[in-house]
Amino acid sequence: GAGVSQTPSNKVTEKGKYVELRCDPISGHTALYWYRQSLGQGPEFLIYFQGTGAADDSGLPNDRFFAVRPEGSVSTLKIQRTERGDSAVYLCASSLNGPGTGELFFGEGSRLTVL
Amino acid sequence: QKEVEQNSGPLSVPEGAIASLNCTYSDRGSQSFFWYRQYSGKSPELIMFIYSNGDKEDGRFTAQLNKASQYVSLLIRDSQPSDSATYLCAGALGNTPLVFGKGTRLSVIA
Repeated sequence: GAGVSQTPSNKVTEKGKYVELRCDPISGHTALYWYRQSLGQGPEFLIYFQGTGAADDSGLPNDRFFAVRPEGSVSTLKIQRTERGDSAVYLCASSLNGPGTGELFFGEGSRLTVL
Repeated sequence: QKEVEQNSGPLSVPEGAIASLNCTYSDRGSQSFFWYRQYSGKSPELIMFIYSNGDKEDGRFTAQLNKASQYVSLLIRDSQPSDSATYLCAGALGNTPLVFGKGTRLSVIA
């Protein structure tokens, strides 16, 4: 597709469950980012991939959060033992080059609700 | 810790007026700055970026950067109701991921 695609658009789960969120970036974009956004807040950085490797994972809040990008394209954000505080919109973005040099294109987000 | 601060608003301006959105940042080494617009329920989209001190104009939008004061602003001339959105300021140091502020909600009243 032409833009960044994220699935699912909405996910409701119970506390303690495992969740996977998928991101398909714009074709040819080498950099991929995960952010999360809570109501009334700006996007909060989680992790950034350059190609297949995580270039910066300093934003992951704890070891329940993990992300992969095995072939340098699609990425999956994995959350184990979900907690109510994990409820947020998880935004994926991609860019042609690195983060400080150009535009980030965001997907529409995956809204996660943990009951 | 790198921080980008914005007044959350809401900032209300009448149609046709100039809207002035402001942002300060804590990391003196930050080199590039971006303004994203986010409509309610939608994802952020880039409207302006600025790397050098001074003004940068693009249509009705002007970004201003003052690195000595660690201050970035966005002016929107001839504001339209369709400009009503949340405006996110973001900064980057070199090739580090963007750090976003919490955003300022702008309401343009017809």
